[in-house]
Amino acid sequence: NAGVMQNPRHLVRRRGQEARLRCSPMKGHSHVYWYRQLPEEGLKFMVYLQKENIIDESGMPKERFSAEFPKEGPSILRIQQVVRGDSAAYFCASSPSRDRPDEQYFGPGTRLTVT
Amino acid sequence: DQQVKQNSPSLSVQEGRISILNCDYTNSMFDYFLWYKKYPAEGPTFLISISSIKDKNEDGRFTVFLNKSAKHLSLHIVPSQPGDSAVYFCAARWTGNQFYFGTGTSLTVIP
Repeated sequence: NAGVMQNPRHLVRRRGQEARLRCSPMKGHSHVYWYRQLPEEGLKFMVYLQKENIIDESGMPKERFSAEFPKEGPSILRIQQVVRGDSAAYFCASSPSRDRPDEQYFGPGTRLTVT
Repeated sequence: DQQVKQNSPSLSVQEGRISILNCDYTNSMFDYFLWYKKYPAEGPTFLISISSIKDKNEDGRFTVFLNKSAKHLSLHIVPSQPGDSAVYFCAARWTGNQFYFGTGTSLTVIP
């Protein structure tokens, strides 16, 4: 059973470009969480999605950031017009159920660098 | 606003001794607490958890203690092993969907 997969592992973008981060949850998992880790900080919740639904996006910046989890395919975190402050590690996690928080499995992360 | 705090960024312990990692939180509405372990270039992996209705949970060498009145959580690892060297994050969940993470403590177990 493959774990949570994220790609790319490293992404370099120039200021103003778009960044697309992909997360394939574990088989059978329909809940996806996205987190951002800035340098010297802990992981910060961004968004929680179920298939085709955004359940909680209270941690997402109001502009430039969006997330989706379509019926087919991976979850996508999209950052438009990236700025240097977006440079961070972005982790996704998947779980089979919201009611078992200890069953949240993390991917290896995507390290975004904005130049 | 950092609702979950790990005030020790690093900790060094001799192999075989006890490691104690601490975590403080501010929100009394948190209902579930977790510890994660993270190696470089990898995502966090779940280690142990505790519900707010308990004050202790044990799993092998790992024990988590919860002191709700002090809003304090600790992870005990005994005996510590070199393979335990990693960054440890505590996390807390409110009754909503958000998980709040601390900033991590880097544990080094010296052989």
